[in-house]
Amino acid sequence: GQNIDQPTEMTATEGAIVQINCTYQTSGFNGLFWYQQHAGEAPTFLSYNVLDGLEEKGRFSSFLSRSKGYSYLLLKELQMKDSASYLCAPLDSNYQLIWGAGTKLIIKP
Amino acid sequence: SQTIHQWPATLVQPVGSPLSLECTVEGTSNPNLYWYRQAAGRGLQLLFYSVGIGQISSEVPQNLSASRPQDRQFILSSKKLLLSDSGFYLCAWSVSGRDTGELFFGEGSRLTVL
Repeated sequence: GQNIDQPTEMTATEGAIVQINCTYQTSGFNGLFWYQQHAGEAPTFLSYNVLDGLEEKGRFSSFLSRSKGYSYLLLKELQMKDSASYLCAPLDSNYQLIWGAGTKLIIKP
Repeated sequence: SQTIHQWPATLVQPVGSPLSLECTVEGTSNPNLYWYRQAAGRGLQLLFYSVGIGQISSEVPQNLSASRPQDRQFILSSKKLLLSDSGFYLCAWSVSGRDTGELFFGEGSRLTVL
């Protein structure tokens, strides 16, 4: 079956660094996406990894290990506006996103 | 630039009543279109997707249906709502002909069935 595992909730301090992990099992694999979703709003695209390694995009970086079925999202210099849910979503063999329940990130001052 | 709109944003409907949610995309042609539902604390569930006018794929058997009467219009309907249909409904589009993982979502429609 298809399965996504990520922590339900994490708490971090403003200005700090946080890493959100995701493990996945899918039927085929065509890349992994991270989305940000603020409470009550629609998700917005953050990053995409198709090859192993780190992709950096400003304060956000995403890492992928295909052999381990593992990815993480790294957020640096945390700001209060980063409080949101972060959704890990691999793309399966049918090019459909398989969505995890998301990790709710709480930033404290 | 491309934009996507869906409406209504919020609705409260009695059990057994009909439903119609509408989504339109502007600024692009022949997009892939999607309807998702998100229950509280759960991942997004793909309900329908469409790669062209009149072409609808259903992912989950249920009392919902979708139609794509025009290239950039996607409609989600139900003849008789159930309590379990409550949730946050999201329309999304992606560029056709490429990997379809980068989705652009509408604002969402929050449906409460009483």
